[in-house]
Amino acid sequence: KAGVTQTPRYLIKTRGQQVTLSCSPISGHRSVSWYQQTPGQGLQFLFEYFSETQRNKGNFPGRFSGRQFSNSRSEMNVSTLELGDSALYLCASSLGLAGYEQYFGPGTRLTVT
Amino acid sequence: GENVEQHPSTLSVQEGDSAVIKCTYSDSASNYFPWYKQELGKRPQLIIDIRSNVGEKKDQRIAVTLNKTAKHFSLHITETQPEDSAVYFCAASGNSGNTPLVFGKGTRLSVIA
Repeated sequence: KAGVTQTPRYLIKTRGQQVTLSCSPISGHRSVSWYQQTPGQGLQFLFEYFSETQRNKGNFPGRFSGRQFSNSRSEMNVSTLELGDSALYLCASSLGLAGYEQYFGPGTRLTVT
Repeated sequence: GENVEQHPSTLSVQEGDSAVIKCTYSDSASNYFPWYKQELGKRPQLIIDIRSNVGEKKDQRIAVTLNKTAKHFSLHITETQPEDSAVYFCAASGNSGNTPLVFGKGTRLSVIA
C-alpha cells in the first residue's frame, strides 16, 4: 500500500504571497491532519479533516485554511505569507479520528523570504 | 486543552545501554498515547502506541508504560544501537474524536558507539 504523499516537497515564496500544499492519504484513510514543524515549537496541530469536514482546528490565524476532497486528498492554503511561516508542513492520515495510528507524509519545506 | 510535556530534551547513551524518555499529560480524558521517531530529514514514524486500558506494551527492544493515575507515560529502549539515534516525540489524544493529537516537544537521542 502506498504511503502518504505530499507535493511539492520544497517551496520558496516571498512575503505577502499565498501558497497551496497538497496531501494524498493512504488508500482507505479518511482522516487527514496537518502539522507545522519548526525547530523551536516541535509539531503543532493545524487542522484535521474527516469525510470532507473540518473536525478540529489548532490555534493558528485565519490565514491558514484547508479543505478535503471526496477522494480524501487534502490541501492547505496559507495566504499573506509571513517570514515566521517558514517551516516543514506535515500531513498525516489515519482511518479514524483522534490521531489513532496516524501516518505521516514526507512534508513540504516552505521557505518565506 | 491537552498539554504534553516531554523530558529530557536531549539524551546521550552508550551503545548497548538503555534509554528512557518520559512524558506527562494534563487531560485525564486522554486515552491514546503514541510515540514517533523522526530521523534527520525524514518523516515522523509511528514506532509504538498504547491505549489507556493497557499499562505496558512491548515490541522487541522498545516498550511503553502508562500510569493513568499520575498522568505520565514513558518510552523504554533497551540495548540501544546507533540507528536508534533520532528525535522521539510522544503524543496524547482523547477518545471523543474531537480532540486531536497533542505532541511533546521531542527528545533528541544520541547513541554513542
